[in-house]
Amino acid sequence: EIVLTQSPATLSLSPGERATLSCRASQSVSSYLAWYQQKPGQAPRLLIYDASNRATGIPARFSGSGSGTDFTLTISSLEPEDFAVYYCQQRSNWQYTFGQGTKLEIK
Amino acid sequence: EVQLVESGGGLVQPGGSLRLSCAASGFTFSSYWMSWVRQAPGKGLEWVANIKQDGSEKYYVDSVKGRFTISRDNAKNSLYLQMNSLRAEDTAVYYCARVEWLQLMYFDYWGQGTLVTVSS
Repeated sequence: EIVLTQSPATLSLSPGERATLSCRASQSVSSYLAWYQQKPGQAPRLLIYDASNRATGIPARFSGSGSGTDFTLTISSLEPEDFAVYYCQQRSNWQYTFGQGTKLEIK
Repeated sequence: EVQLVESGGGLVQPGGSLRLSCAASGFTFSSYWMSWVRQAPGKGLEWVANIKQDGSEKYYVDSVKGRFTISRDNAKNSLYLQMNSLRAEDTAVYYCARVEWLQLMYFDYWGQGTLVTVSS
């Protein structure tokens, strides 16, 4: 099973600042990595797929990068609605796994 | 508009059974793999099971193999999860999710979830 480790666990920033979230895989997943956003009481929403492609309707301030084992989600300038929990996710051998999440909170 | 609406959650005793349903609309249900993903209270996301368009292939996370069964009825645009021998650690919000069609790697639409509580 491929384990995804996200860091930091919590990130405290202010609106307008740049956010950088990391996800590390225990073995290579090539570029097959996704990022999701989850707000309290809501279902997750797909933000980024294939490491760097924005899903439909996702604002340009969200960007993803990386390949192999190291990936980054960047939010260029935080909006109030961006404070949420973010998860990375991969699939290998028909087993899907998620990272443990990074909580992005208002400083 | 793609919609996924789960139902069937509730309180069940350890060792009991429950059947979850997911009603799909706004897309051609029979053309997509579908999944169940769960989230224990205050915890992260855990994929539970997947089913192919025609039901001929199914995959499960190890912790539910032999206890849970995923199925679908394309004529009714519905996905199901039969959960038997339930344990306290199965307590979670269960989400129905559509698997993106091209690479089958990601979940592009999610329902709002249904809460399953396993407790005596």
